[in-house]
Amino acid sequence: DAGVIQSPRHEVTEMGQEVTLRCKPISGHDYLFWYRQTMMRGLELLIYFNNNVPIDDSGMPEDRFSAKMPNASFSTLKIQPSEPRDSAVYFCASSLPGAGGNTIYFGEGSWLTVV
Amino acid sequence: AQSVTQLDSQVPVFEEAPVELRCNYSSSVSVYLFWYVQYPNQGLQLLLKYLSGSTLVKGINGFEAEFNKSQTSFHLRKPSVHISDTAEYFCAVTPGGGGYQKVTFGTGTKLQVIP
Repeated sequence: DAGVIQSPRHEVTEMGQEVTLRCKPISGHDYLFWYRQTMMRGLELLIYFNNNVPIDDSGMPEDRFSAKMPNASFSTLKIQPSEPRDSAVYFCASSLPGAGGNTIYFGEGSWLTVV
Repeated sequence: AQSVTQLDSQVPVFEEAPVELRCNYSSSVSVYLFWYVQYPNQGLQLLLKYLSGSTLVKGINGFEAEFNKSQTSFHLRKPSVHISDTAEYFCAVTPGGGGYQKVTFGTGTKLQVIP
């Protein structure tokens, strides 16, 4: 079975430009997460969805960040306008919680550099 | 609320030597515990998890961890490391029980295996 698929894997953009990161979760998983990883702040949960509905976006750093999940197989994280401090690795992850505990399956990440 | 502490940010160890990566957690309720591994330029993947039962849990690649409730610890061990074990290791905790439970990740421990 295919894992979580993210695109692009690498993105270099200029400050002020819009960035859109895409994610396809594992089929059948009903939770989707967006994480950000930096050297300074480690792994941060930005937002998560359940059945395509945003549940908790308290980790979204500011209004420049937005996330959508129009259907069960697709989600986007958008940054507009981008700033150099947004440079990080952004991970999408999905999960199907149950009696087996909440194992989270991560994608390979989108490496964003804002210059 | 729960928290997890990984006391060592970096652990250098010679190839074929044993290693222990430390993890301590804090929670007022029963917990599930996880170890994830992140290889360079990849996402996190599950190494092993403790839900209930035997306190010694075996995972992939020869790793094992022991749940110690009295010491609130879940240390990760491997008797003989290989160069390919060079990676960052994250301990994580969730409240026990079915359904979705918020996952709290530690700050990670970088294991550097020296040839």
